Amino acid sequence: DVKVTQSSRYLVKRTGEKVFLECVQDMDHENMFWYRQDPGLGLRLIYFSYDVKMKEKGDIPEGYSVSREKKERFSLILESASTNQTSMYLCASPGIGQGALTEAFFGQGTRLTVV
Amino acid sequence: GNSVTQMEGPVTLSEEAFLTINCTYTATGYPSLFWYVQYPGEGLQLLLKATKADDKGSNKGFEATYRKETTSFHLEKGSVQVSDSAVYFCALSDPGSGTYKYIFGTGTRLKVLA
Repeated sequence: DVKVTQSSRYLVKRTGEKVFLECVQDMDHENMFWYRQDPGLGLRLIYFSYDVKMKEKGDIPEGYSVSREKKERFSLILESASTNQTSMYLCASPGIGQGALTEAFFGQGTRLTVV
Repeated sequence: GNSVTQMEGPVTLSEEAFLTINCTYTATGYPSLFWYVQYPGEGLQLLLKATKADDKGSNKGFEATYRKETTSFHLEKGSVQVSDSAVYFCALSDPGSGTYKYIFGTGTRLKVLA
């Protein structure tokens, strides 16, 4: 019954490392999103993609990039990890119905710690 | 621009108490409204939704009514259980904004005591 899978639950990386967070969905959805979740700030959109090889910046794209080479996979890349990128990262994939987003399915989250 | 404002937490209740979590929104078009729930250690999952004015979404004893006149979508439950302890997020999606995105509130943590 798993719909959205994130590759890691917990990661610890060193400052300056390049970090890859992977997300796979099995619903054949076109849209995929990456959020970060921080206490008191809720979910903030980093990047989203509405088709293969298409990407759009969200509200906080600085320090991040993404890759969508296949429809089912959306990767978030931290080019040079910094301590202020320590956070919970959530991948989501919604459906579309009647021209509007419907239910978003979320992965279980990746808690990233940068030391 | 579009935004969602929900009440700050944490909210602490005794089991069987009545729950209200307030959510108000601003939107340029006719948004769909959602409540998501996040249980400890998990991602978010949809709790309920409403797509047009006066719609009522309901699930697991929770309800919320889309009130366009007050731009609100308050979450209610008549009798909470310890298992309802979680973080609740109000969200909107406004196709009139030109992009397919959600706007989330900051979340309200609910703790239910036995």
